[in-house]
Amino acid sequence: TQLLEQSPQFLSIQEGENLTVYCNSSSVFSSLQWYRQEPGEGPVLLVTVVTGGEVKKLKRLTFQFGDARKDSSLHITAAQPGDTGLYLCAGAQTSGSRLTFGEGTQLTVNP
Amino acid sequence: DSGVTQTPKHLITATGQRVTLRCSPRSGDLSVYWYQQSLDQGLQFLIQYYNGEERAKGNILERFSAQQFPDLHSELNLSSLELGDSALYFCASTKRGAHTGELFFGEGSRLTVL
Repeated sequence: TQLLEQSPQFLSIQEGENLTVYCNSSSVFSSLQWYRQEPGEGPVLLVTVVTGGEVKKLKRLTFQFGDARKDSSLHITAAQPGDTGLYLCAGAQTSGSRLTFGEGTQLTVNP
Repeated sequence: DSGVTQTPKHLITATGQRVTLRCSPRSGDLSVYWYQQSLDQGLQFLIQYYNGEERAKGNILERFSAQQFPDLHSELNLSSLELGDSALYFCASTKRGAHTGELFFGEGSRLTVL
């Protein structure tokens, strides 16, 4: 059983569409990170959220940390082919503890 | 470019064999982490070293071992290889020993066991 469940596992959309991917857990996290991994490369950090209810924006990407710090979402507006990749959430249950990764959402944005 | 270098990028070997994967962390980073990524298991934490000493252990098999050298580079040794060991192996580094800051990942070593 995964500590962090990501959904959907796969998502294929057309350029210009909006999408949301989810990262859920029954456990509380002190912080949560989102990474993007492109083919042939390692994951790259997009954002870290630490406060319940926190919303962070990175251009067309909006990240939200749930009020109870058990879940997070990533919303992409007007997706572009360059957004294609594997999106991974990773959480730490306490400050200084190891990160646990979800299995990822594979996003494909078709031109 | 994350600054983390992994070699080799690709490796094909046979069951029962032994391989060594190498990782050079970012300049100034003291912590090195090893992860295994397979299609059905996602990114699994194997082991962490901090300044030459083992700091944390995850789902690492007894057939696998790692070490971090005085120059801070690290090696992951995989022995008695099985088909199921085929995966991408990532190294990541950070400055501190805490596991919650940003992890800088290398490009990975793709291991195929035939």
